[in-house]
Amino acid sequence: SQELEQSPQSLIVQEGKNLTINCTSSKTLYGLYWYKQKYGEGLIFLMMLQKGGEEKSHEKITAKLDEKKQQSSLHITASQPSHAGIYLCGALYNNNDMRFGAGTRLTVKP
Amino acid sequence: GAGVSQSPRYKVAKRGQDVALRCDPISGHVSLFWYQQALGQGPEFLTYFQNEAQLDKSGLPSDRFFAERPEGSVSTLKIQRTQQEDSAVYLCASSLGPAEAFFGQGTRLTVV
Repeated sequence: SQELEQSPQSLIVQEGKNLTINCTSSKTLYGLYWYKQKYGEGLIFLMMLQKGGEEKSHEKITAKLDEKKQQSSLHITASQPSHAGIYLCGALYNNNDMRFGAGTRLTVKP
Repeated sequence: GAGVSQSPRYKVAKRGQDVALRCDPISGHVSLFWYQQALGQGPEFLTYFQNEAQLDKSGLPSDRFFAERPEGSVSTLKIQRTQQEDSAVYLCASSLGPAEAFFGQGTRLTVV
C-alpha cells in the first residue's frame, strides 16, 4: 500500500543482536497492527496500538506508536532464529479499513 | 470453528476458468477483509465487508473479481476467466471491529 511504508524491506542479523523495523503512514492512524508471517502460512497477530505514545511488549518484542499516530516501530531484543519471518504492519484508518505495508523479511543467523 | 477457515487451501485453475474461494469468519465477527498476496509481497487489500454490506471494494483489480457476503457471515470471492496474473495467495480476515483481526490460512491459487 502506498499509504503505508515499511522499512527495511529485508534484514539479516546475527543471533543475539537487537533490531528495529519501522512503519510510516501518510495519514493519521486509528490503530496500528503488527503481524508476523511464516512462508506459506497465515498472519499471526503480535500487537495492536491505538493511542499516541503507546508502547506494548510481548516477550522480547516491543512496539511503539508515536504521538502523532503516523509512525510505529517494532523492536526485537536479543534476536533468536525463532524470530525469523516476515513482519507486517497493518494500518487501521477511520473507516475500519485495514491496509498493510509490504513487509520486512527478517533472517536471524545462528 | 475456533478460527477463520478458508477453503480450498490450494486451487489450480486453467486460464479462463472461473473460481470461487470461501471464507468462514469467526462467529459474530462483523468485519471481514479479503487480501491478495503475491510471492514476497505484503497483503494487498481487495475488499471489506461490515456485516453483509460491502463498504469498500476499491482494491478489486478488475471486474472479473467479485465478492459477496449475503448473510453477513460466510463470504465468497469469485474470480471469473482467471488469468495467470491472478495467481497468488488469497487471505481472509475477520474482526469484531477496531480490534485484533484474525486471519485464515489462505487459499493458494495457481492459474496454469
